[in-house]
Amino acid sequence: GQQLNQSPQSMFIQEGEDVSMNCTSSSIFNTWLWYKQDPGEGPVLLIALYKAGELTSNGRLTAQFGITRKDSFLNISASIPSDVGIYFCAGQNYGGSQGNLIFGKGTKLSVKP
Amino acid sequence: AAGVIQSPRHLIKEKRETATLKCYPIPRHDTVYWYQQGPGQDPQFLISFYEKMQSDKGSIPDRFSAQQFSDYHSELNMSSLELGDSALYFCASSLSPQETQYFGPGTRLLVL
Repeated sequence: GQQLNQSPQSMFIQEGEDVSMNCTSSSIFNTWLWYKQDPGEGPVLLIALYKAGELTSNGRLTAQFGITRKDSFLNISASIPSDVGIYFCAGQNYGGSQGNLIFGKGTKLSVKP
Repeated sequence: AAGVIQSPRHLIKEKRETATLKCYPIPRHDTVYWYQQGPGQDPQFLISFYEKMQSDKGSIPDRFSAQQFSDYHSELNMSSLELGDSALYFCASSLSPQETQYFGPGTRLLVL
């Protein structure tokens, strides 16, 4: 089946730093999404991308849908402590009544000790 | 704004028991997805419904079944529970299968 490679697996941030993470796939997707999940909670949608090449911002977050439709990146600028959590990319292909998400393994953001 | 509601939030069962998880989608959303997330894992798609009909099936065990009712809420029924079924179970809803999915807070199931 389709698989997403998300990197890095984890990273430590210091307040004010910029953060970058990305996802790649061997197959194409119609839609790329980025979610953030806090421990024990459901994933919360950050950004949805619908067109190849699309660059979208949501506050300090910026994400792009790769031209080949096989990759996406998420940047967080000027990180703050509440950015800590697990970030998941997800790809979606839809056709007819189907549209389930395929998730990457997640990037865990922690605060530098 | 209204969000996806899931109940119960926490559930403890013993092996071989049954469990029923409920999901109430965002109003006007006719599509519901169920996902299972093991500890330290990414969510895995189980099953989905569109307009009260099953629309797709993922890695759902035969011991599990689900349905979507006339008011669009959905229930996931799990029988002969095994220790490995311990996980977070999420429901997500969307306006249609092509639209963005919004997740509920999840049900944490612990099988002892």
